[in-house]
Amino acid sequence: SQWGEENLQALSIQEGEDVTMNCSYKTYTTVVQWYRQKSGKGPAQLILIRSNEREKRSGRLRATLDTSSQSSSLSITGTLATDTAVYFCATDASSGSWQLIFGSGTQLTVMP
Amino acid sequence: DTTVKQNPRYKLARVGKPVNLICSQTMNHDTMYWYQKKPNQAPKLLLFYYDKILNREADTFEKFQSSRPNNSFCSLYIGSAGLEYSAMYLCASSSRQISNERLFFGHGTKLSVL
Repeated sequence: SQWGEENLQALSIQEGEDVTMNCSYKTYTTVVQWYRQKSGKGPAQLILIRSNEREKRSGRLRATLDTSSQSSSLSITGTLATDTAVYFCATDASSGSWQLIFGSGTQLTVMP
Repeated sequence: DTTVKQNPRYKLARVGKPVNLICSQTMNHDTMYWYQKKPNQAPKLLLFYYDKILNREADTFEKFQSSRPNNSFCSLYIGSAGLEYSAMYLCASSSRQISNERLFFGHGTKLSVL
């Protein structure tokens, strides 16, 4: 498997709190993507971070990438109930391949 | 709103019967993918088409077929459904010319095999 965690993680927080989700990968990659899947919908890309970037921000989202430890994180500040979803990290199966491989994800529940 | 559409939204199939799932996209993307997603698991790549070239994953090679009659459409075919095929099937597309890393997903087809 490409990914370190094999089982869906679950987090439950209160609206307004900040949250950080982590994932680690086993093989070298040039890019890590984060996707969000809300109930009844397909995954949608949130943010993409490349191996030459340590941090990427988009609105309330912040992604980090540590190539030395082969890990990435996604933080959400000031969470809303509408942030409730499953969050996946994903990377290429091998450098330069066209195959996106997903980690098992984090089920985030934000309670109003 | 999504511009990757999948039909049907829900599919009920009997064990041993064939299943055909349909996907279409209007973005003129050159690559289309099929993923299988089971509860509490990561989406698993089954196969993808780059233009007319089909690439199937080694561990699902014999279980799934696909066709892409034109750029906009792609199907996923199961010749003989088994209980283990019950899952959500996600279709996605991307463009190597524009933004090769980003995948656009449809809502998925939930297949239940009885």
